[in-house]
Amino acid sequence: KQEVTQIPAALSVPEGENLVLNCSFTDSAIYNLQWFRQDPGKGLTSLLLIQSSQREQTSGRLNASLDKSSGRSTLYIAASQPGDSATYLCAVLPGANNLFFGTGTRLTVIP
Amino acid sequence: GAGVSQSPSNKVTEKGKDVELRCDPISGHTALYWYRQSLGQGLEFLIYFQGNSAPDKSGLPSDRFSAERTGGSVSTLTIQRTQQEDSAVYLCASSLPPGGDTQYFGPGTRLTVL
Repeated sequence: KQEVTQIPAALSVPEGENLVLNCSFTDSAIYNLQWFRQDPGKGLTSLLLIQSSQREQTSGRLNASLDKSSGRSTLYIAASQPGDSATYLCAVLPGANNLFFGTGTRLTVIP
Repeated sequence: GAGVSQSPSNKVTEKGKDVELRCDPISGHTALYWYRQSLGQGLEFLIYFQGNSAPDKSGLPSDRFSAERTGGSVSTLTIQRTQQEDSAVYLCASSLPPGGDTQYFGPGTRLTVL
């Protein structure tokens, strides 16, 4: 069964710092990998989707990479802002039906 | 445009009662998914619909849980004889085709079983 792990579980950084969130998965046979943001009391917001054939995706200050063979993905956030504070979830799609989620990294950006 | 909506946003119920949770997917999305997130745990897949059929019910935790989807649109998740361990946030997501496409999530329903 696919297992998704995210490290660290929590991270606090001062505003303006660049940071990296890590995600690892045990089965490299995936269709895609998705990074989400979860704000308290709200649903998930999709940030970036990387297809299995791709190596990275970029959106604004966010860059996500995928190394399928080693079962790893990173989410890079440049010039962090207090508004980036949230829980970031990584999820992989091993088949057509459902996502396997990590437990998330809780990010706090300190003004 | 309108996103995925869920109702109610919060539900408090007594142990042993039945509850119904509703999900309205994005119009035109054929795939619909139910997940739940218990306190301190990651998201857990419950069930997936393609149109009105549910080819994958493997995530439903017990036979007290059931779900249906009508008209290829609205879905309801029903929990019978609720237990305290059912307390969680129940999230619904939809996507265009199943597989390879972005899943869009609703705000969730927070269920508390007393």
